[in-house]
Amino acid sequence: DGGITQSPKYLFRKEGQNVTLSCEQNLNHDAMYWYRQDPGQGLRLIYYSQIVNDFQKGDIAEGYSVSREKKESFPLTVTSAQKNPTAFYLCASSMIGRDRNTEAFFGQGTRLTVV
Amino acid sequence: KNEVEQSPQNLTAQEGEFITINCSYSVGISALHWLQQHPGGGIVSLFMLSSGKKKHGRLIATINIQEKHSSLHITASHPRDSAVYICAVRSGLIQGAQKLVFGQGTRLTINP
Repeated sequence: DGGITQSPKYLFRKEGQNVTLSCEQNLNHDAMYWYRQDPGQGLRLIYYSQIVNDFQKGDIAEGYSVSREKKESFPLTVTSAQKNPTAFYLCASSMIGRDRNTEAFFGQGTRLTVV
Repeated sequence: KNEVEQSPQNLTAQEGEFITINCSYSVGISALHWLQQHPGGGIVSLFMLSSGKKKHGRLIATINIQEKHSSLHITASHPRDSAVYICAVRSGLIQGAQKLVFGQGTRLTINP
């Protein structure tokens, strides 16, 4: 079955350590996105990519980095520069191009807790 | 003020009740999504609509583009409908990718 897989589901890290969250999709989608969710707030865009080896900053990119070496994969690294990294992280993907009315598909999320 | 506002933020109802969740937005949009987030956190897309009304089982979504307002209705609600419902609007294309702006979500609890 096609879908988006995020791993791990729960992640604990010590303050000051970098941590990488995995996101893989087998939907052959061009675009992939990372969102952050905090209690009582809507999801906010961290980074997005619409093609391999290219990505763009979203609204809250500071303290994060990404790579897009393969179409299927878009890992997110939460660096030690991120001041408040504890949050729920969601990965999504969608088609782009001439067909603009395409849905976005979401992963199951990773809950990161920094202690 | 957020670009996408949902109401109510929390809603508790008894099994069988008719549920309405509202979403108002202040930006021009090309489409609106209704999403469901269960306690585990994963998000499922319920509807994507740009005009009129869509129905899937007990769920109905409507949108009024002129009034910049959408509603999600649940008929004959059931405890398994308990989740957070999120409205998201596509306000344009970022170089071809989707730019989604999300509401803060409505937490729905259906008691048996």
